Amino acid sequence: GENVEQHPSTLSVQEGDSAVIKCTYSDSASNYFPWYKQELGKRPQLIIDIRSNVGEKKDQRIAVTLNKTAKHFSLHITETQPEDSAVYFCAASVTGYQKVTFGTGTKLQVIP
Amino acid sequence: GAGVSQSPSNKVTEKGKDVELRCDPISGHTALYWYRQRLGQGLEFLIYFQGNSAPDKSGLPSDRFSAERTGESVSTLTIQRTQQEDSAVYLCASSLGPIQPQHFGDGTRLSIL
Repeated sequence: GENVEQHPSTLSVQEGDSAVIKCTYSDSASNYFPWYKQELGKRPQLIIDIRSNVGEKKDQRIAVTLNKTAKHFSLHITETQPEDSAVYFCAASVTGYQKVTFGTGTKLQVIP
Repeated sequence: GAGVSQSPSNKVTEKGKDVELRCDPISGHTALYWYRQRLGQGLEFLIYFQGNSAPDKSGLPSDRFSAERTGESVSTLTIQRTQQEDSAVYLCASSLGPIQPQHFGDGTRLSIL
């Protein structure tokens, strides 16, 4: 089955700096890669996703890149703000298969 | 419109009791997922429903766990003979279909005494 590894498990950055979270996946057939943000005590919420037919997608300060050859994808947050502090989860799934496999999460702390 | 609704929001029960958790998905969402999240941990897949197809139960940790869904509506997750290790937040999510963004509920925080 699919295996998703996520690094780092914790990340501290100064406000205004960039943050990068990386994930690798094992199933080369995976073709959908969402990222979720979970603030303390709250539900996970989708922040951005990418499909395997594109290599990069941006939404304001957030971007995701995908390298299908290397089977890894990354989340980039620029100009970080304290409200970006949360746990971020990557995930991978394959068309035709129901299960979505999540990474173990990265706790991001943005220091004012 | 209304999001995914879960009830109860909190449940405290004694070891050995049965519990039933409920999830109301977003109207029109054919896919429904249950996850377990232990304190400070990631999302552990439990079960997936897609329309009227047979559910994917591959994530259920033991035969004490079961779930049902009628058509594309409400789902219930039942845990029989609860154990202390069942203590966690149980999250439900729904989506328009497979390989679509999931919308999560607020979860049910289950505490087994």
